[in-house]
Amino acid sequence: NAGVIQTPRHKVTGKGQEATLWCEPISGHSAVFWYRQTIVQGLEFLTYFRNQAPIDDSGMPKERFSAQMPNQSHSTLKIQSTQPQDSAVYLCASSLWGDNYAEQFFGPGTRLTVL
Amino acid sequence: GDSVTQTEGPVTVSESESLIINCTYSATSIAYPNLFWYVRYPGEGLQLLLKVITAGQKGSSRGFEATYNKETTSFHLQKASVQESDSAVYYCALASNTNTGKLTFGDGTVLTVKP
Repeated sequence: NAGVIQTPRHKVTGKGQEATLWCEPISGHSAVFWYRQTIVQGLEFLTYFRNQAPIDDSGMPKERFSAQMPNQSHSTLKIQSTQPQDSAVYLCASSLWGDNYAEQFFGPGTRLTVL
Repeated sequence: GDSVTQTEGPVTVSESESLIINCTYSATSIAYPNLFWYVRYPGEGLQLLLKVITAGQKGSSRGFEATYNKETTSFHLQKASVQESDSAVYYCALASNTNTGKLTFGDGTVLTVKP
């Protein structure tokens, strides 16, 4: 089992460009989570899918950020018109059921740098 | 909203000494959230160390223990005798939403164990 896979590991974009981050959850896991980690804000929840359906996006910025899960084997986080304040490590996690006591398995993260 | 406050690092201890990393929580949507400690070892991804979902219970793993204290809303992480391999970043977290596994994390505590 390869664990949660995130690509790319590092991405550098210019201000105003688009960034797409990919996540492949552990096979058989029904829940996928996205988090963002910065020095200032720490680790914060962005959005959550269960069985590919969006369940909770309460942590997503209202503009420029979107997430999808087109099939059970991958999810994407897209940031349009990236800004320097979007620079962060974006973490994807998956869990078997997605309830509030299931262990979440985290990927290595994608470090996004917006110049 | 929910919040978690933990010992501000970095924390440095010598091998075989005892350790305590403090964690207190506030959950606004549920009386007794589920509590977790996650750890990130150097070069590795975030992983679950232990969890407790019942107030008053103790969780343990790899020599670490944490007791869910609902009176003091605390979930301190303790180890009687640390090893150099325990050097890592430790995160206290809670999950309060019964419909999702969304985690609210503390800021993390960097632990260095000196040989």
